[in-house]
Amino acid sequence: DQQVKQNSPSLSVQEGRISILNCDYTNSMFDYFLWYKKYPAEGPTFLISISSIKDKNEDGRFTVFLNKSAKHLSLHIVPSQPGDSAVYFCAASPLAGGFKTIFGAGTRLFVKA
Amino acid sequence: DVKVTQSSRYLVKRTGEKVFLECVQDMDHENMFWYRQDPGLGLRLIYFSYDVKMKEKGDIPEGYSVSREKKERFSLILESASTNQTSMYLCASSLAGTGSSDTQYFGPGTRLTVL
Repeated sequence: DQQVKQNSPSLSVQEGRISILNCDYTNSMFDYFLWYKKYPAEGPTFLISISSIKDKNEDGRFTVFLNKSAKHLSLHIVPSQPGDSAVYFCAASPLAGGFKTIFGAGTRLFVKA
Repeated sequence: DVKVTQSSRYLVKRTGEKVFLECVQDMDHENMFWYRQDPGLGLRLIYFSYDVKMKEKGDIPEGYSVSREKKERFSLILESASTNQTSMYLCASSLAGTGSSDTQYFGPGTRLTVL
C-alpha cells in the first residue's frame, strides 16, 4: 500500500517551458512534504519542502504547491533547463517525526534542449 | 557541506555470502538511515538509528541487520545474501531536530548485485 504516489514514471518537457511533477498521498497524518532530486550515480539531494500549514513555497525556479483537501502536491519548475533532467522523489513525514519519511516511486524528468 | 560516504559504489556477491555495507557521515548527525531503491518502488526504509547502539526497524527489515557502534558510522549487514537483495542501497543522515522538518542527506549509493 503506497502512501505516497507519483503516478507519472516519466515526463518530457522542452527547455524554457514549465515542468509540473505531481504527487498524491493517502495518510492525513503527514504534515511535512519534501522533494528530492537524484542524478544518475548520485544520492538524492534535498530540493524544496513545505509544511502542511502552508499551501505554497517558492525557491527560485522551484515552487511546491500543497492541496491538503485533495491530498495532492505538485512541484513546478519554471523555466525548465536541461540540467533539471533527473529523477524527482516526493516524500512525506508524519506528525510524529521524520524517522518515517515515506518516499514516492519517483518521476524521471527529461528537459529537451 | 554534509558529506555521507559509502564504502563501495558497486559490489557483486554470491548467494549465501555475508555482506557488509558501510556508511560514514562527517556532520555529527544523530540520525542515520538505510534505504533500498528499486524501480517503481522508490526508496524503502530498511533500518534507522537515532543514536549510537540504537536501531529501529523500517518497512522492510527482513534479511538485514544493522550496527551503529560509533555516531558517524552505520553499517548494513546482509547475513546471507539472496538474489532478491540485488538493489541500490542508499545511506542517509539527518540532525536530531523537531522531527518532521529533518532533511536527510544521502550518500552516493551502493549498487549490490547478488548472483
